[in-house]
Amino acid sequence: RKEVEQDPGPFNVPEGATVAFNCTYSNSASQSFFWYRQDCRKEPKLLMSVYSSGNEDGRFTAQLNRASQYISLLIRDSKLSDSATYLCVVTLNAGNNRKLIWGLGTSLAVNP
Amino acid sequence: DAGVTQSPTHLIKTRGQQVTLRCSPISGHKSVSWYQQVLGQGPQFIFQYYEKEERGRGNFPDRFSARQFPNYSSELNVNALLLGDSALYLCASLASGIYNEQFFGPGTRLTVL
Repeated sequence: RKEVEQDPGPFNVPEGATVAFNCTYSNSASQSFFWYRQDCRKEPKLLMSVYSSGNEDGRFTAQLNRASQYISLLIRDSKLSDSATYLCVVTLNAGNNRKLIWGLGTSLAVNP
Repeated sequence: DAGVTQSPTHLIKTRGQQVTLRCSPISGHKSVSWYQQVLGQGPQFIFQYYEKEERGRGNFPDRFSARQFPNYSSELNVNALLLGDSALYLCASLASGIYNEQFFGPGTRLTVL
């Protein structure tokens, strides 16, 4: 099992739709969680940190479920500009080593 | 503030050659991480440096090495290049620790022929 797995894409949705991505992680000791957005051939940019209590930023809501070891990202009222690849990131301390583990990303295409 | 800068932007090398990639973090940031991103995949963690010390290492062979300088800039070196090393190499700057937000540079696109 991969350390971090994301929903396979691509997701094709019409403008205004609500879309949800999930990301599961295998190590229960994982400590921090993030969603990044990456546009084609650009560097990843932080979209949201994911907190245990869940957090919302405008049309975006992120949630963490430690018991089931997954994080989710919900996008409401999709815009054309939301089209991108969404990457989840999990951080983990492993002894003296620190690891950031990235999912492969889920591609979203919002269509007019 | 110029943000995270990387050089060069593009690079073409042949198998067996060596390459050095450079990164300057955001002013005031003391930590730099390096990632390799192959087209269509998420970034793979290579190294993290904080205050000139290696704080994290991903699953990359010893052909990959890095260092951080007193001004917190960093170099990533790859020896004995293979075709599979062709990728976008991203540098990320962190204010401190590993849990804070990372700011990515534009990357260096390396092509190995």
